Amino acid sequence: KQEVTQIPAALSVPEGENLVLNCSFTDSAIYNLQWFRQDPGKGLTSLLLIQSSQREQTSGRLNASLDKSSGRSTLYIAASQPGDSATYLCAVNARAGGTSYGKLTFGQGTILTVHP
Amino acid sequence: GAGVSQTPSNKVTEKGKYVELRCDPISGHTALYWYRQSLGQGPEFLIYFQGTGAADDSGLPNDRFFAVRPEGSVSTLKIQRTERGDSAVYLCASSLTWWASYNEQFFGPGTRLTVL
Repeated sequence: KQEVTQIPAALSVPEGENLVLNCSFTDSAIYNLQWFRQDPGKGLTSLLLIQSSQREQTSGRLNASLDKSSGRSTLYIAASQPGDSATYLCAVNARAGGTSYGKLTFGQGTILTVHP
Repeated sequence: GAGVSQTPSNKVTEKGKYVELRCDPISGHTALYWYRQSLGQGPEFLIYFQGTGAADDSGLPNDRFFAVRPEGSVSTLKIQRTERGDSAVYLCASSLTWWASYNEQFFGPGTRLTVL
């Protein structure tokens, strides 16, 4: 059974800092990994998707890396801003258990607070 | 274009009642997913559809839960004899396809279900 863990559970930083969020997963047979952002009381916004054949993806101030063999992904946020405050979730799309390509397994998230 | 929409946004019901939650996916997306999110947790997979058929319903907690997608577009999640433990946010997502490693999932705002 695929398990996803995110560290730290919560992070508070001053504005302008660069920061790293960590995600680890137990089964390396994945199709892709997605990073999401969730604002309080809202749905999930997709930030980045890394295919299993890729090592990293970049979008603006965000960079996500994937090391499938070690079961790890990191989300790097450069020059953090108060508007980045949210919960960040990683999710893996794994083949574990058969032919299910669509099922995402989520971590519990990292609650990020960026204070002015 | 329009994103994934879900109705109602909030639903309060009494224990034992029947509820239906609706999801309208992004136009042209063939795959549709339902997840459930409890407070402070990451979303948990319930079921996903490839077109009209349920490809994987392994996440449905018991036979009180059922979902349909009769025309391959709109989906309805149905919960019979609701229990207080069913209280959660029910999230719907869709993706262009289900089989590719780049099948990015896009989420709706969710339906907050409260069972009194």
